[in-house]
Amino acid sequence: GAVVSQHPSWVICKSGTSVKIECRSLDFQATTMFWYRQFPKQSLMLMATSNEGSKATYEQGVEKDKFLINHASLTLSTLTVTSAHPEDSSFYICSGRNSPSEETQYFGPGTRLLVL
Amino acid sequence: GQSLEQPSEVTAVEGAIVQINCTYQTSGFYGLSWYQQHDGGAPTFLSYNALDGLEETGRFSSFLSRSDSYGYLLLQELQMKDSASYFCAVRDRGGGADGLTFGKGTHLIIQP
Repeated sequence: GAVVSQHPSWVICKSGTSVKIECRSLDFQATTMFWYRQFPKQSLMLMATSNEGSKATYEQGVEKDKFLINHASLTLSTLTVTSAHPEDSSFYICSGRNSPSEETQYFGPGTRLLVL
Repeated sequence: GQSLEQPSEVTAVEGAIVQINCTYQTSGFYGLSWYQQHDGGAPTFLSYNALDGLEETGRFSSFLSRSDSYGYLLLQELQMKDSASYFCAVRDRGGGADGLTFGKGTHLIIQP
């Protein structure tokens, strides 16, 4: 199956700093990438949809100026959490899909963010 | 909007069969997916139903009834490694958003 990697796998930062998370599709071209957030014991919540070369589409309630998404190539998308606060501590998971007609999304291993 | 309902927890015995139900309400429906997630891990795709009926993939099967807005995941010959959370999901299409809306997940506990 298709493989998606994320880096870093976990990060601890101070409140007010920015954190960048990378998501890479290793063996396929992801025309669309998605970013999800998952709090403990809860479901995955879609944050944004990102098409290569286009601006991301954010879900309602997700601040686009706080969660900056860049999808500059078919194999790389980045999520930058700007001015992170303790309430941003969560498990961030990306996924990729290689065509709009395909239903399967391939998920990365996730990044655990802890903001102190 | 979209909403999906599934039981929060199901317990079963190793070697048995278990069914995890999912009902959904969506503004537009294209199909129902199922994902498995082990603690601390990434979700992995299990199955997808766009049409009514049963789809079988090894020990896992998934069923869909569009008229009832209902589906289920059936796991047979349960193994301890099947202990995980299982999510049903629908695809959200429109306005540039195209990700998945997940149910809250069913935690499957398997006892020896």
